[in-house]
This record gives sequence, C-alpha cells and structure tokens, in this order.
Amino acid sequence: GESVGLHLPTLSVQEGDNSIINCAYSNSASDYFIWYKQESGKGPQFIIDIRSNMDKRQGQRVTVLLNKTVKHLSLQIAATQPGDSAVYFCAETYTGKLIFGQGTTLQVKP
Amino acid sequence: DAGVIQSPRHEVTEMGQEVTLRCKPISGHNSLFWYRQTMMRGLELLIYFNNNVPIDDSGMPEDRFSAKMPNASFSTLKIQPSEPRDSAVYFCASTQAGSQETQYFGPGTRLLVL
Repeated sequence: GESVGLHLPTLSVQEGDNSIINCAYSNSASDYFIWYKQESGKGPQFIIDIRSNMDKRQGQRVTVLLNKTVKHLSLQIAATQPGDSAVYFCAETYTGKLIFGQGTTLQVKP
Repeated sequence: DAGVIQSPRHEVTEMGQEVTLRCKPISGHNSLFWYRQTMMRGLELLIYFNNNVPIDDSGMPEDRFSAKMPNASFSTLKIQPSEPRDSAVYFCASTQAGSQETQYFGPGTRLLVL
C-alpha cells in the first residue's frame, strides 16, 4: 500500500530531555524521506530530510535515522525546548509524490 | 526570499458558493502542489503541476474541484459549488523539479463552508 504511519499520536516530554518520534513506511521503493514540523495555524515546515542511500543524517539538534530493513524512520530532537511543541509529520516520496503520515503531537512540559 | 504565498488566509462561505484559492510559488520552483488537511484524513495531495502542466489529479475529490496554473508564478484551486464537507485547510507547496526535492509549504487557507 501507500501508507505512512506514525506509532504514537502524542508524545509528552520534559523540557531539556531528548525526544524520539517514530514513523513506519510501507513502500520499499521510496527513496526520499522528510520530516516536517507544523505549528498551530501554520503550514508544515521542513526540518530535515534523508535519502535512501543513507541511514543517518544530523542537523542542528535533530537527527533522522532510516532503517530500510524494517522500513522505519525516526526523528530525534536533542534538548527539547518549548518551541519544539508542534505536530511532526514524516513523509516519503513514492511515485513522485509525497505521502504523509498522520502526525505525532509533541508536547514539551516546562 | 518570499516563501509560498497563499490567499485568502481565511474564507467563510455558504454552501453552494464558488470558492477560489490562490497560490504563488517560490520563484524558480517549477513544481506546485495543492493539499487539503483535515483532522480525519490528515494531509492529502489533491493535484500537482510540473512546469505549469497538471501531472496527477487523482487526489481531486470530485468534479466540483478544479485547479489551474496559467503561468509559473500563479495557481488557483476552485471549488464550485462548495459543500460543508469541503471545510478544511488548503495548502499550496512548491519545489524545484524532481521527486527528491523538499516541498516548501505556504501558510494555508482555512476554508469554512456553512
């Protein structure tokens, strides 16, 4: 199928802790993956991407891991801050289109 | 650089009325996408264009929906007639050509059909 799903609808973390948001995808042929952050009332904002020939990519405070064997994608946020509170979507590129998961809400407790 | 621009930001209309949503992609981007977001269905791709040509409109719900891209800097999504179930946030996104390029989203148009 063409489904991309997220394991947890809501993740609550303490400020300063690390956050891990997981995503499962179903298309083995997908070759490009993106994590987006969506704050209330705004459009999805690009966070980080990874191509299928890589298994890890790091950005500023964020790391994306790709495990093609089990078709799993994760987003790690280091030292989570209140400004990280948002809905996070993973997306895969399949047949030229981005297919989005349902999203995980990240809540950061002060 | 200006990002993707959408207008209006909010639209409230009555059932049966025509609604036109507008999008200006990022300059230099030649692929444009229209999405709809609802709580129940999440983000759904409606249609996308490459070089102003519609490539895939399989996500367009029905004939009431139509989209055009008359030039590289402008696209419209039209709903005629609108229905309450069309209430959603509609996003436009653009990217440089190629499937392995990041899509950049506009702020969205929040549509409410009464």
